[in-house]
Amino acid sequence: DTTVKQNPRYKLARVGKPVNLICSQTMNHDTMYWYQKKPNQAPKLLLFYYDKILNREADTFEKFQSSRPNNSFCSLYIGSAGLEYSAMYLCASSREGALKRQYFGPGTRLTVL
Amino acid sequence: GQQVQQSPASLVLQEGENAELQCNFSTSLNSMQWFYQRPGGSLVSLFYNPSGTKHSGRLTSTTVIKERRSSLHISSSQTTDSGTYLCALEQDTEGADRLTFGKGTQLIIQP
Repeated sequence: DTTVKQNPRYKLARVGKPVNLICSQTMNHDTMYWYQKKPNQAPKLLLFYYDKILNREADTFEKFQSSRPNNSFCSLYIGSAGLEYSAMYLCASSREGALKRQYFGPGTRLTVL
Repeated sequence: GQQVQQSPASLVLQEGENAELQCNFSTSLNSMQWFYQRPGGSLVSLFYNPSGTKHSGRLTSTTVIKERRSSLHISSSQTTDSGTYLCALEQDTEGADRLTFGKGTQLIIQP
């Protein structure tokens, strides 16, 4: 099974409320990534977990948190959603090695009102 | 500036015509990856191409590192090829692999 699953597929949130998005994969991949994609923009890497080590991009460091309780699951957490967080959130995973293809999930469309 | 530039932004063709999508990058890379996304669908990896030419059915990817470009060629296009095609530059920075995406090419194949 080479699929990456994301839940929920659609999420509506109120400004100021927390948001938690879930990603899972059963390919035993060491690295899991979260990207943000807004219309007419390129997907932007937010953070990734290599095994148990979290790496957050410098320009989004304070806006997003993540946890990886085990190899298969990874969450993306927004403590207080703002209108600017409305976007598609894509999760991906990859295995270390010569062929590091990233496998993407279907995404979660977050709308903040 | 933008590290990965894709062109064209959109392309409309008749079924049977060939499509040529371009990706230019301004920095060093480990590899170039091409993705396809059907409307409402996941990003699907088409090619992982560090250099040279790779073929998959009607699709061909060519990456020329010294010219800092990669292309995706679709021959004899079909309506089911319609969707968004994204290229992404894979770099090893600060000890980690990162993908930097282009904005994508919206391809529409008309019957």
